[in-house]
Amino acid sequence: DAGVTQSPTHLIKTRGQQVTLRCSPKSGHDTVSWYQQALGQGPQFIFQYYEEEERQRGNFPDRFSGHQFPNYSSELNVNALLLGDSALYLCASSLGQRGGSPLHFGNGTRLTVT
Amino acid sequence: AQSVTQLDSQVPVFEEAPVELRCNYSSSVSVYLFWYVQYPNQGLQLLLKYLSGSTLVESINGFEAEFNKSQTSFHLRKPSVHISDTAEYFCAVSDTGRRALTFGSGTRLQVQP
Repeated sequence: DAGVTQSPTHLIKTRGQQVTLRCSPKSGHDTVSWYQQALGQGPQFIFQYYEEEERQRGNFPDRFSGHQFPNYSSELNVNALLLGDSALYLCASSLGQRGGSPLHFGNGTRLTVT
Repeated sequence: AQSVTQLDSQVPVFEEAPVELRCNYSSSVSVYLFWYVQYPNQGLQLLLKYLSGSTLVESINGFEAEFNKSQTSFHLRKPSVHISDTAEYFCAVSDTGRRALTFGSGTRLQVQP
């Protein structure tokens, strides 16, 4: 049973560029959430997708956008990259929207913006 | 809105010694509480959770945490640590109606031989 898989594992981009990160949820899960983890900090919630719609959003600018596909996989897009966007981006999947069921995290994508 | 405070950024401890990692939260509504562990270059793994019922929850590898509503705390304890417990530990909270987690800044547990 595959867990949450993310690609790529590492990425280096230049300021101003755009990036797309991908996530496949754990088998049987239908909800995907994205988190940003800056170095030495705890993860911060970006947004959650369920039934192909953004259901909940954290305090992130519109440069951060996402998508969920019919097979429940998801993409995170970041436009006009800033140096401060350098971080580990974590995808987490779960069953259903409501709290209580645990999130299963992928190993993340390490984004470096130069 | 919720917030989580992990009072210790690093906790060094000798192998087989007891340890407590402290977590306090702030919320105006009922919450679910979680502890996650992160090993180097990996994502987060759920260690244990409190949803309702008994305020003492346990993990399969010997950790336990106690929900204290009056003190708004959810401290993590283990009576005897192993070298393999060396990792970053995150406390997290969500309200009972939503799934988004608010994490603390983490505590690095360093177990020394």
